[in-house]
Amino acid sequence: NAGVTQTPKFQVLKTGQSMTLQCAQDMNHEYMSWYRQDPGMGLRLIHYSVGAGITDQGEVPNGYNVSRSTTEDFPLRLLSAAPSQTSVYFCASRSDRGGNQPQHFGDGTRLSIL
Amino acid sequence: AQSVAQPEDQVNVAEGNPLTVKCTYSVSGNPYLFWYVQYPNRGLQFLLKYITGDNLVKGSYGFEAEFNKSQTSFHLKKPSALVSDSALYFCAVSGATNKLIFGTGTLLAVQP
Repeated sequence: NAGVTQTPKFQVLKTGQSMTLQCAQDMNHEYMSWYRQDPGMGLRLIHYSVGAGITDQGEVPNGYNVSRSTTEDFPLRLLSAAPSQTSVYFCASRSDRGGNQPQHFGDGTRLSIL
Repeated sequence: AQSVAQPEDQVNVAEGNPLTVKCTYSVSGNPYLFWYVQYPNRGLQFLLKYITGDNLVKGSYGFEAEFNKSQTSFHLKKPSALVSDSALYFCAVSGATNKLIFGTGTLLAVQP
């Protein structure tokens, strides 16, 4: 099993560009989520999904869109990148919707917005 | 709203000494509590969890955590620290919602 796979690992964008961060898991997990990690602020939840076709906002959703057309994939879209979105982005999945199972994390995408 | 506080940005301990990394939480209803570890340039790895039952939870790599409901705390402990334990540690909580909320992290530095 590959677990949670994130691509790309690194990306540099110019302000105003758009891009999609890819996330795929091969564990048939229902729940998937996106976090951003910034120094001194820990991990903050951007969006999450409890199953295909269902998404919801986390703590910091502005500037990001998500969709969940399949169980395996949960892409994160930046529609118009801003320097404030420079961060490390982590995708995670877990087997249950209820929250008592641990999450499995990818290795992250390091994104710089110039 | 649920929240997690990790009051120490960094904890320094000598190898062989016991270590404690502190965590307090706020959540509606019964909490689900987790500890994760992050090594440089990697994602987070699960260490242990408290869902219900015994207040002392044992996890990976010799770590354990004590749930204290009256103090709303879930401190991470290890009897004897190793240099290889040096990493960034995160406490997290989920409650009535199914969102997992993280603390700001504590950097553990174990000196030889």
